[in-house]
Amino acid sequence: NAGVTQTPKFQVLKTGQSMTLQCAQDMNHNSMYWYRQDPGMGLRLIYYSASEGTTDKGEVPNGYNVSRLNKREFSLRLESAAPSQTSVYFCASSGGTSGSTDTQYFGPGTRLTVL
Amino acid sequence: TQLLEQSPQFLSIQEGENLTVYCNSSSVFSSLQWYRQEPGEGPVLLVTVVTGGEVKKLKRLTFQFGDARKDSSLHITAAQPGDTGLYLCAGSDAGGTSYGKLTFGQGTILTVHP
Repeated sequence: NAGVTQTPKFQVLKTGQSMTLQCAQDMNHNSMYWYRQDPGMGLRLIYYSASEGTTDKGEVPNGYNVSRLNKREFSLRLESAAPSQTSVYFCASSGGTSGSTDTQYFGPGTRLTVL
Repeated sequence: TQLLEQSPQFLSIQEGENLTVYCNSSSVFSSLQWYRQEPGEGPVLLVTVVTGGEVKKLKRLTFQFGDARKDSSLHITAAQPGDTGLYLCAGSDAGGTSYGKLTFGQGTILTVHP
C-alpha cells in the first residue's frame, strides 16, 4: 500500500497563475483533509471532506477550492495564486466517522512557492 | 475557534538530557494526539490520549492528558539524536460534528546533539 500520495512534490508559480494539487489514498478511508504548514504556525486546516460527495471549509479556506473526485481522490485548487499561499501543503486521510479519534495519515507534502 | 498553545517552540539539548513539551488550551478536547514530523515528510502519529489524567508510555516517551482535558505534555527521558524532529500536538473535538478534525499546536522543533 502506498498510503497517501501527493503530486507534485515541488511547484513554483507566478502570481495569478492557477494550479491543482492532487491527493490520493489507498486505505479506503472516508475522510480526507488539506492542510497548509507555515513556520511557527503548525498545520492549519484548509478544507476537509468527511465522506465522498461532501466538502467543508476549515480554518483558512480563502483562495482555495476542493473537489472530492471519488473516495480515493481529493484535490486542492488555487485559482489565482498569491505570494501569501507560499507554503507546504499536506493531504491527510482517516477512517473518519463522527465521534472517532482516528489516526490521520499524511502524505509527503507539496512545497509551493508563489513569486 | 479552539486554540492550542505549544511550548517551547525550540529546544536544543545534549544527548542524555530529559525534556518536556507542553500543549495548553482554554478549550476542552475529546482527545489529544501527538505527532512527530521529520524534514521533508508528513507528520506521523505517536499516540492518542482520550481520558482525562491518562498517561501513556512509548519507550522513553511519556504522554499525559490533563484531568480537565485542556492540556497535555510529552516527556522524553534520556534524549537521543534520533529523537530530533518537529513534535506537534493536535486536539480533536470528535464529539461534535467535526468528523475528527484536528486543531494543531505550533509545534516544537527538538534538536538533540550527540
